[in-house]
Amino acid sequence: QKEVEQNSGPLSVPEGAIASLNCTYSDRGSQSFFWYRQYSGKSPELIMFIYSNGDKEDGRFTAQLNKASQYVSLLIRDSQPSDSATYLCAVNMGYGQNFVFGPGTRLSVLP
Amino acid sequence: DVKVTQSSRYLVKRTGEKVFLECVQDMDHENMFWYRQDPGLGLRLIYFSYDVKMKEKGDIPEGYSVSREKKERFSLILESASTNQTSMYLCAIQTGAGNTIYFGEGSWLTVV
Repeated sequence: QKEVEQNSGPLSVPEGAIASLNCTYSDRGSQSFFWYRQYSGKSPELIMFIYSNGDKEDGRFTAQLNKASQYVSLLIRDSQPSDSATYLCAVNMGYGQNFVFGPGTRLSVLP
Repeated sequence: DVKVTQSSRYLVKRTGEKVFLECVQDMDHENMFWYRQDPGLGLRLIYFSYDVKMKEKGDIPEGYSVSREKKERFSLILESASTNQTSMYLCAIQTGAGNTIYFGEGSWLTVV
């Protein structure tokens, strides 16, 4: 069974703090890893993807990948109330339908 | 920019009606998907298509069928809508680096 796990939250952080979102996956052979943001009532939108071990930065967002531990994380620096959303981790475990989404973590940034 | 268009955003249908949800992409992407999303259940794959007239069942195909007669259009069909099919339906394509999935805006279906 190919699985992606996330803490469902809610994760609450004060405005300006760093939010840390975590994800683990089951398939050791997975090659690419994605973070999506989903506002209530909207469709998921891609934040960034990563496929090499280490960190990848894009503005206030940093994705971290550790393939040995089968662990992906997303850091959001200087969190803003507009970052309040559900964050979905996804892992490409192979062709087509083997693109697996986690259940999402709900983030709340408090003013 | 990747563009995935779901023309019907909000629909209300009666139990037993046949429902068509349309999805159109503006590029030559091969892989297209239909998901549904429900609170507490996450994203669940209904069907996947990898080319014209080619399809594969996802995790929850029961009660649904699909049609892909042209590469740019992937339709989801509810042959006889039921109240438990009230949900948000998301069409997606797969392309680019890492075979990224991009979603349309979603179709909210209410079956009464």
